[in-house]
Order: sequence, then C-alpha cells, then structure tokens
Amino acid sequence: DAGVTQSPTHLIKTRGQHVTLRCSPISGHKSVSWYQQVLGQGPQFIFQYYEKEERGRGNFPDRFSARQFPNYSSELNVNALLLGDSALYLCASSLDAPRAYEQYFGPGTRLTVT
Amino acid sequence: QKEVEQDPGPLSVPEGAIVSLNCTYSNSAFQYFMWYRQYSRKGPELLMYTYSSGNKEDGRFTAQVDKSSKYISLFIRDSQPSDSATYLCAMSGLSGGYNKLIFGAGTRLAVHP
Repeated sequence: DAGVTQSPTHLIKTRGQHVTLRCSPISGHKSVSWYQQVLGQGPQFIFQYYEKEERGRGNFPDRFSARQFPNYSSELNVNALLLGDSALYLCASSLDAPRAYEQYFGPGTRLTVT
Repeated sequence: QKEVEQDPGPLSVPEGAIVSLNCTYSNSAFQYFMWYRQYSRKGPELLMYTYSSGNKEDGRFTAQVDKSSKYISLFIRDSQPSDSATYLCAMSGLSGGYNKLIFGAGTRLAVHP
C-alpha cells in the first residue's frame, strides 16, 4: 500500500520568495496535518485539515497557509520566506476520531532558504 | 517549560543490549502516547501507540505509560545496529475538537556491533 507522499523532496529558495509544498495522504485517510521540523528538534504542529476544512492551527505566522482538496491531498504555502523557515516539512495523514491521534508521516520536503 | 521533555542523548549501546528511552510531560490532558523512529533525513515512522496508562508489547519493543507520574518509556530488547536512529515520543489529547501531536526533541540512539 502506498504511504503518504510529498513533493518536492528538496527545495532551495531565496529570502522573500514563496513556496508551495504538496502532500497526498494514505488512501482512505481524510485528515492531513502539517509539521515543521528544525534540525535537532521534534516536529512542530502547523495545521490540520479534515474534509477540506481547517481544524486547527499551531503557533505560526500568517505567512503560512494551507488547503485541502476534494481528493484529500493538501498544499502548504509559505510566503515571504525567512532564513528561519529552513526546515524539514512533514505531512501526516490519519483517519478521523477515534483514531485521529494515529498519524502516519511522509518522507518530508527539505526546504533551504538562502 | 516545554510540554514534553526528552533527553536528546546521544545514547550508545552494544548490540544485544536493552535500551530504555524516556519522556516526561506536563499536560495532564494527554491521553494518547506514541513512539516514532526517524532515520537520518527521513520522515518519522510510527512504532507504537498507547491509550492512557499501561504497557503494550510488540516484538522487541515495549511501551509503558505512567500517567500518575507523567512519564512514558520505550524499551528495546536485543537491540540491533538497524535500531540506530532518533526516537521521538509524541503525545496527543483532544483539544478544540482535533488531535495534534506534541513531540519531544528526540533521543539519538547508536547500537554498535
């Protein structure tokens, strides 16, 4: 069975640019969450979407936005990139409650901002 | 104070040793407790999850949760070089109608032959 897929694998951007990251969940999963993992730290929650609706948002600035499509895939957008946005961006998919805590991660997109 | 504390290590053990990895937490609302394994430059892989207090065993892995002490553990028996990775604990509780995961910083484990 295909797991969570993310694209692109790597990305290099310049400060001030915009970036779009993409995620396809496991078949049958309707919930997608995004996390940011800075080197040496655990992942930090950014967004969660279910059935195209935003369910929750972490402590990230408005430069970060996301959406979910009818096929449950998702995009994460980051505007006005800063050097501090360099990180591994992870997408996780899950079933809905009561198993929403059981989240499966993709391989991530490594973003480098120069 | 962070919601979830985890010793970053590194932890170095010989092959065949029993490994103990631990996390403490402060939020008593957490109900679900997970352990992920992350190889270098890869995404986290869900190893085990536990609901509330108690033990859960899966092959060489045993997860323990003590909610009264706000302390969780992962034991790895007969450790192998292939177990060398970063182990992340994660916790979740229903908040605002959804589950988000709160992670520890991860413990780097090296198992040498």
